[in-house]
Amino acid sequence: DADVTQTPRNRITKTGKRIMLECSQTKGHDRMYWYRQDPGLGLQLIYYSFDVKDINKGEISDGYSVSRQAQAKFSLSLESAIPNQTALYFCATSDPIGVSLFFGPGTRLTVL
Amino acid sequence: EDKVVQSPLSLVVHEGDTVTLNCSYEVTNFRSLLWYKQEKKAPTFLFMLTSSGIEKKSGRLSSILDKKELFSILNITATQTGDSAIYLCAVISGGYQKVTFGIGTKLQVIP
Repeated sequence: DADVTQTPRNRITKTGKRIMLECSQTKGHDRMYWYRQDPGLGLQLIYYSFDVKDINKGEISDGYSVSRQAQAKFSLSLESAIPNQTALYFCATSDPIGVSLFFGPGTRLTVL
Repeated sequence: EDKVVQSPLSLVVHEGDTVTLNCSYEVTNFRSLLWYKQEKKAPTFLFMLTSSGIEKKSGRLSSILDKKELFSILNITATQTGDSAIYLCAVISGGYQKVTFGIGTKLQVIP
């Protein structure tokens, strides 16, 4: 089984809808991240969490919110989706020393 | 502001060629540099580098870090079409282990 899983893997939605992307991990890591990837812009950090009570904004948090329901679960929400949020979204975890990063398989989100 | 710059942005080579991908960085309190390969979806881990001058190897891929000059290179020898991908460089830095990614180098290997 994959160490970091994301659901859904693909989603098409309409402008204004609320969307939740879910991430689960079995690596036992405290640190979890949400990134989005756009062609030509690389990976940009949306939110990160170092434990259940510690959630921080990344570079591009506007229009997004997160919930850390448990050590193993970190969800990303788009409260009111807009077309420029169309992107590939990755969840990641990092080891306790913080020197490596492990990615989930990604969610391709299209907002029409 | 932390910065990771990769070059070239894209590269087209023939099978059998050797390629060198570059990654330079400016960060506060460097902890590690990571290389990833991204094909269709999620980046897959290649190397983690923390010490200068120690080459990491995995088959035809190798990488080395220069912490004095603040750069790393990823070498791929005898390239194959399966090496076609985006190669991402990331640097982990600071007390909060901030991760900064480069934009990536798109490598295309043609037969």
